[in-house]
This record gives sequence, structure tokens and C-alpha cells, in this order.
Amino acid sequence: RKEVEQDPGPFNVPEGATVAFNCTYSNSASQSFFWYRQDCRKEPKLLMSVYSSGNEDGRFTAQLNRASQYISLLIRDSKLSDSATYLCVVMARNTGFQKLVFGTGTRLLVSP
Amino acid sequence: NAGVTQTPKFRVLKTGQSMTLLCAQDMNHEYMYWYRQDPGMGLRLIHYSVGEGTTAKGEVPDGYNVSRLKKQNFLLGLESAAPSQTSVYFCASRDGPPGYNEQFFGPGTRLTVL
Repeated sequence: RKEVEQDPGPFNVPEGATVAFNCTYSNSASQSFFWYRQDCRKEPKLLMSVYSSGNEDGRFTAQLNRASQYISLLIRDSKLSDSATYLCVVMARNTGFQKLVFGTGTRLLVSP
Repeated sequence: NAGVTQTPKFRVLKTGQSMTLLCAQDMNHEYMYWYRQDPGMGLRLIHYSVGEGTTAKGEVPDGYNVSRLKKQNFLLGLESAAPSQTSVYFCASRDGPPGYNEQFFGPGTRLTVL
């Protein structure tokens, strides 16, 4: 079983739609959680951290459920520029070193 | 600031050839990483460094070596390239503890081994 699992998509949505991505992780000792965005043929970039209480950044809302080991990302009012792959990332401590574990990503395509 | 830079951006090798990928960061970060990204596999950690002069193995270190002689540079070497090493390689860096500090990635090196 992969440490971090995501639905690969693609999710095809029209502009203005609301779309949600889910992610599950297997290591219950995971400490921190993030969503990264990766554009085609580019490097990943941090979109937002995910806090236990849930957090919002503009049109983006992230939720964490530690009991179910589940993370979500909600994008409201989708824009064409939101088209990208969204990586779920979990940080766990491995022999004293904080290691980031990346999901394989969920691809989003927003169409006019 | 340039952030994290990688050299070269593209490279084609023949099986058995060697090469070195260079990563440089100008943010004075302690930690540096090398990842590879393959379709359907996500980013996998090859080697990492927690400071100048230190290196450690990640989850897929076989066939690679690294060196961190200067804090700003992290080199990834392939001594005898194999087709299985065809991939996109990303370098990353971040500040050390306390807490979590954002990890910044370089633009990547696309390597093809024939």
C-alpha cells in the first residue's frame, strides 16, 4: 500500500465549478500535511499547509481528519489557471529526520 | 534571489556513461534533497543532506552518489547510467528546524538514458 494515495483523475470541470480532491495516508505518526501544485513540466510549489482545524486561502480550503487519516482540498469558483496537478504531501519523522512523502497527484483540467 | 537552480536542464546519455547533476541554492538553506519523478510513482527521495559535508540515503539511492562540499551546492552523480534512470530529477532545499519550513524545488533536469 502506498504511504499517500490520491485519485489520479483527471478531473474535468468547467470554469466556475467547485471541485474537491481527497487523499489518504497510511502512517498514523505523520506530523504535517500539505498540498503542492505542479504545472505541466514544472517543479512542485507549495499551495498550502493543512491544519487540524481546517484552513482557507482565498478559493482554496484544506481539511484534515486525523482519525480517518484523510486530507481534502476544495477549490471554489475554478479558474482556467487552476489547471494543474495537485500533490498531497505528508511529513513523517523517519529515524529523526523529517521526511516528505508525496502522493502521485490528482490532475485538474478546467475548461472554458 | 535565484532560489534553487539546476544544471543541466536536459541530458541524453548512453548506457554506461556517467554524469553529474548540479543543484545550487542561494537561500542559505541547511537541508537539500534530490528526488526523481516518474509517471505514476510520485516524487521519490534519492539522497539528502542536512548540512555542509553531510549526506544520507533516501528511499531509492542505488546507482547514485552525492556530495555536499559547499552549503549552497548539492551534486548528484550517476557513475554508470542505466535506462531505468531515465526520469525527471528535482533538487530541493529548505531551512532546518525548528518547525517546518517550506521546501523549494529547482526547475528539474530531464534525463534520458538510451
